[in-house]
Amino acid sequence: AAGVIQSPRHLIKEKRETATLKCYPIPRHDTVYWYQQGPGQDPQFLISFYEKMQSDKGSIPDRFSAQQFSDYHSELNMSSLELGDSALYFCASSLGGGNEQYFGPGTRLTVT
Amino acid sequence: KNQVEQSPQSLIILEGKNCTLQCNYTVSPFSNLRWYKQDTGRGPVSLTIMTFSENTKSNGRYTATLDADTKQSSLHITASQLSDSASYICVVSPGFQKLVFGTGTRLLVSP
Repeated sequence: AAGVIQSPRHLIKEKRETATLKCYPIPRHDTVYWYQQGPGQDPQFLISFYEKMQSDKGSIPDRFSAQQFSDYHSELNMSSLELGDSALYFCASSLGGGNEQYFGPGTRLTVT
Repeated sequence: KNQVEQSPQSLIILEGKNCTLQCNYTVSPFSNLRWYKQDTGRGPVSLTIMTFSENTKSNGRYTATLDADTKQSSLHITASQLSDSASYICVVSPGFQKLVFGTGTRLLVSP
């Protein structure tokens, strides 16, 4: 069965650079969630989209933005990267907002 | 404040043994409770999901229980295997797409 796809899987950036992470949800899933997981931490919810509209916002820094496109894939744009942004970024998708969330493999971002 | 606490923080067991992980939550309202298994550097994988009316749910060697009155859940792993070594995360949803993640239990199964 198709799963959530995230790209790239690994990304290395320098401070103050920008990064774009992509998420392709499971086919027919209309809701996408972004999470940030620091080393040894539990995932922190960043933002979610339902039917291409932002549906909820968590602890997403102002330097980050995200959107969901007409094909339901989502992109997380991160600017002015800081060392503290180094983390695993997970995307999850679901069919409808209250249903089971399926997580992608994550993108490991390292900021040097 | 919505919180999910898990115990123990870490656990080492011998292959073939059973173990039980605990989860206490203060999330309100309550929609459902999920247990996820997360291998290092990988995305969480759902093991079970239980609603208010469900007391127990099994998925192979994993059995989760839920006591909505005391706001406690447990995950029992039977006949552990080396591949069970991972973090196990209890996640409670108050509904409306939100998930409150627990602190996780890091399990190591040794040969």
